Amino acid sequence: NAGVTQTPKFQVLKTGQSMTLQCAQDMNHNSMYWYRQDPGMGLRLIYYSASEGTTDKGEVPNGYNVSRLNKREFSLRLESAAPSQTSVYFCASSRWGVGSTDTQYFGPGTRLTVL
Amino acid sequence: ILNVEQSPQSLHVQEGDSTNFTCSFPSSNFYALHWYRWETAKSPEALFVMTLNGDEKKKGRISATLNTKEGYSYLYIKGSQPEDSATYLCALSDNFNKFYFGSGTKLNVKP
Repeated sequence: NAGVTQTPKFQVLKTGQSMTLQCAQDMNHNSMYWYRQDPGMGLRLIYYSASEGTTDKGEVPNGYNVSRLNKREFSLRLESAAPSQTSVYFCASSRWGVGSTDTQYFGPGTRLTVL
Repeated sequence: ILNVEQSPQSLHVQEGDSTNFTCSFPSSNFYALHWYRWETAKSPEALFVMTLNGDEKKKGRISATLNTKEGYSYLYIKGSQPEDSATYLCALSDNFNKFYFGSGTKLNVKP
């Protein structure tokens, strides 16, 4: 049981380049999330998917797009990377159902640097 | 958006000290409160999930309480050990399981 996996672990981009961060979970969870973590700012939600087929914006969605490819996979795309998107990106998942108090399980993170 | 404040930002204690830190929230318009432990270079790991019933949670030397009336949760660590050094995150989840995280309390336990 791998839990939540993310690829790549590290990435360096030049301003204007695009890339996709991949996330997959093998726990049959319904909900998946993308966060960014910046020093002194905790975890900020970029996008989330409450269930397969749905996606919603979080606190900081600008400059990102997401795809919930199937129940297992949730990808995050940077169309034109900017230095302000230098951060550590975490994917998470939770089982969820209405009225659930399930916690989130996090992937190992992707450290992205945009030059 | 649910605002979550954590204090202090950082804390340095000696091995063996007991310590506690606070998670504050302005309203009880959430479904559950979560505590996570986040070690450097690792991913956050769940410690406790607390519902609005406010019952105390305990795991070994770590415990947490929730007071929804006054808008805070405390995390206590009894007899801190160096391996307790980590950032402790508090988060609120709403009815759609959307999470709102505080910025964390960074604990350093000196041997």
